Amino acid sequence: GENVEQHPSTLSVQEGDSAVIKCTYSDSASNYFPWYKQELGKGPQLIIDIRSNVGEKKDQRIAVTLNKTAKHFSLHITETQPEDSAVYFCAASKGGSTLGRLYFGRGTQLTVWP
Amino acid sequence: NAGVTQTPKFQVLKTGQSMTLQCAQDMNHNSMYWYRQDPGMGLRLIYYSASEGTTDKGEVPNGYNVSRLNKREFSLRLESAAPSQTSVYFCASSDSGTDTQYFGPGTRLTVL
Repeated sequence: GENVEQHPSTLSVQEGDSAVIKCTYSDSASNYFPWYKQELGKGPQLIIDIRSNVGEKKDQRIAVTLNKTAKHFSLHITETQPEDSAVYFCAASKGGSTLGRLYFGRGTQLTVWP
Repeated sequence: NAGVTQTPKFQVLKTGQSMTLQCAQDMNHNSMYWYRQDPGMGLRLIYYSASEGTTDKGEVPNGYNVSRLNKREFSLRLESAAPSQTSVYFCASSDSGTDTQYFGPGTRLTVL
């Protein structure tokens, strides 16, 4: 099966700084890469995703980049705010309703200090 | 639109007891999933149902059974709970035309 590794496990930044979280995957057939944000006591919420036919995607302060050759993808958060503090998970999937099983990284605890 | 709902929110069981975790979605999604989340382990897939009437094992199915009752509901049953099943359980759903999974708020289960 797929193996997704995520680094770092914890990340502390000052408000206004940028934060970068990196993930690698092992299965070259994976083609869908979502990022989830999980606040304390809540379920994961999708914040951005990217497919293997795209190298970069941006949504306001959040961007994701994908390098298919190296099999890694990254989440970039600019101008961080205290409300960005949460656990972030990357995931990989082959896509499709039958094959759409998500394999998750172990998570990154992001803390943004005011 | 409530999205994905789960009951109960919290549960404490003794070793050997049984219970069923309930999940329902009102988004008319075909696919539903059960995950468990343990500290430092991310989320791991227990079972999934690609469509009504079908279920398949995920990464960690041992000790669990599931039932896809209808298109809306997907339940997870622990027949004889063990302390190793102490975890937070999340249900998710997705539309067959997309890969985006929507998660419920979770059930925190403790087995003593």
